[in-house]
Amino acid sequence: NAGVMQNPRHLVRRRGQEARLRCSPMKGHSHVYWYRQLPEEGLKFMVYLQKENIIDESGMPKERFSAEFPKEGPSILRIQQVVRGDSAAYFCASSPNLGTNEKLFFGSGTQLSVL
Amino acid sequence: EDQVTQSPEALRLQEGESSSLNCSYTVSGLRGLFWYRQDPGKGPEFLFTLYSAGEEKEKERLKATLTKKESFLHITAPKPEDSATYLCAVQAGPNSGYALNFGKGTSLLVTP
Repeated sequence: NAGVMQNPRHLVRRRGQEARLRCSPMKGHSHVYWYRQLPEEGLKFMVYLQKENIIDESGMPKERFSAEFPKEGPSILRIQQVVRGDSAAYFCASSPNLGTNEKLFFGSGTQLSVL
Repeated sequence: EDQVTQSPEALRLQEGESSSLNCSYTVSGLRGLFWYRQDPGKGPEFLFTLYSAGEEKEKERLKATLTKKESFLHITAPKPEDSATYLCAVQAGPNSGYALNFGKGTSLLVTP
């Protein structure tokens, strides 16, 4: 049973470009969470999604960031017009149960570098 | 505002030298306190969930305890493979959404 798969592992973008980060949850999991880890900072919650629904986006920046989890395919975190401050490790996690956070399974992350 | 503070930031132990990591928290109604382990270049790996003061959980050389203000992760006779960053996180009460609020972690190095 494959774990949470994130790709790419490393993504380099120039300022102003778009970044698309993908996350395939564990088989049987329909709840996806995105977290961001800035240098010297703890993991920060961004968004919680179920299939075709955004449940909690209280941690998402108001502009340039969006997330989706379509009926088919991976969850996508999209960052438009990236800036240097967006450079961070972005982690996706999945769980089988509704919002319990009992046991989140994390992917290995996508390291975004903005030049 | 919910806060999670972990100490020390870094800890170096000799193999077999037991110690404890601390996680102090302030939260409006604790739904759960979580411990995760993170290896370099990897995502966090779940260790424990604690729900109420007085609760304890054990796994191999690790034991997690919880009071109303803090949690400890006790490491007994650690081995080099226990070297990692240990993260503490809290989930606040029912009106606080689904976010886990993470501390910055304790980086543990166990030398042979």
